[in-house]
Amino acid sequence: DAMVIQNPRYQVTQFGKPVTLSCSQTLNHNVMYWYQQKSSQAPKLLFHYYDKDFNNEADTPDNFQSRRPNTSFCFLDIRSPGLGDAAMYLCATSLYGQSTDTQYFGPGTRLTVL
Amino acid sequence: AQTVTQSQPEMSVQEAETVTLSCTYDTSESDYYLFWYKQPPSRQMILVIRQEAYKQQNATENRFSVNFQKAAKSFSLKISDSQLGDAAMYFCAYLKTGNQFYFGTGTSLTVIP
Repeated sequence: DAMVIQNPRYQVTQFGKPVTLSCSQTLNHNVMYWYQQKSSQAPKLLFHYYDKDFNNEADTPDNFQSRRPNTSFCFLDIRSPGLGDAAMYLCATSLYGQSTDTQYFGPGTRLTVL
Repeated sequence: AQTVTQSQPEMSVQEAETVTLSCTYDTSESDYYLFWYKQPPSRQMILVIRQEAYKQQNATENRFSVNFQKAAKSFSLKISDSQLGDAAMYFCAYLKTGNQFYFGTGTSLTVIP
């Protein structure tokens, strides 16, 4: 089945140690998104790619970076994780990023920062 | 700025009964989309139902239906014949043209056997 896949499902890192979260999709969608969801809060959009065009949200910290080497894969890099970065990170895709498109979410990666 | 408000952090319903989850939003746009997403514990978020703002008819999807009141900026979700598998966090979301998604803070639904 076509899917949005996130690896790993659970990631533990140390304070200040760089970490990379992975997302892949078999839907062949043009747009890929990264959201941060803290406990009992709504998902918050960090950035998205339309093909190779990167779109950063204004309030996304510089500590968060992203790469999309090809259509199928997108990575979230946290350069120096702080305790406040512990959260669920959700990857989502949509076909064209238009209002008529549904976003399809991956299962998420739960990040713990020690 | 667009905001989405879910005023019920927690709700519970007896199995087989009906429950309504509330959502209001603030926008100056006339063309937009509204969604309800379901996030079961430790599982991924999935789309439950969506509504186009230009459509007056309320969307329905099996046991799930919405009451969309555009003038009041209200978008409630009704779940009929509740099942144990409906237990989850439910997020209301707003999408305007230009692809910006806004989520509410969620309503945690418990289904009591």
